[in-house]
Amino acid sequence: GENVEQHPSTLSVQEGDSAVIKCTYSDSASNYFPWYKQELGKRPQLIIDIRSNVGEKKDQRIAVTLNKTAKHFSLHITETQPEDSAVYFCAASLGDDKIIFGKGTRLHILP
Amino acid sequence: EADIYQTPRYLVIGTGKKITLECSQTMGHDKMYWYQQDPGMELHLIHYSYGVNSTEKGDLSSESTVSRIRTEHFPLTLESARPSHTSQYLCASSILGQGVSEAFFGQGTRLTVV
Repeated sequence: GENVEQHPSTLSVQEGDSAVIKCTYSDSASNYFPWYKQELGKRPQLIIDIRSNVGEKKDQRIAVTLNKTAKHFSLHITETQPEDSAVYFCAASLGDDKIIFGKGTRLHILP
Repeated sequence: EADIYQTPRYLVIGTGKKITLECSQTMGHDKMYWYQQDPGMELHLIHYSYGVNSTEKGDLSSESTVSRIRTEHFPLTLESARPSHTSQYLCASSILGQGVSEAFFGQGTRLTVV
């Protein structure tokens, strides 16, 4: 079955700097890669996703890149702000199969 | 408003008790999931369903059961609660049949077994 590895587990960046979170997946057939953000005490919410037929997707300060050959995808946050502090989860799925999540990255934005 | 609802939000219960955590969604989704999560930590899939009368076990071994008699309802039952069950339980749902779709999460039930 699918396995998703996520790094780093904790990341601290200075406000205004960029943050990068990386994930790898094992099943080359997976075709959907969402990213969820979970603020303290709240439920996970989708912030961006990418399908396997696309190499990059951007939404304001957030971008995701996908390298199908390497089975690797990354989340990039530019010009980080205090409200970006949260736990971020990557995930992978194939069609209508179950969603497999990474273990999460705790992002701290330092003032 | 279309959403996914979990009750109760908080529950403290004694060891050995049977409990049912409720999850209902008004979005018409076929796929539903139960995850166990210690605060801010990994999401462990414990059960999922593709629709009515469909239930599958996830990756986390758990002494729990689920049922899916109605599309909108996916309750989770612990037959005999133990302190090791203390955690947050998150229910989620998504569309089936479109290949890929966003999962929507409920607010969670924070369970404490004493």
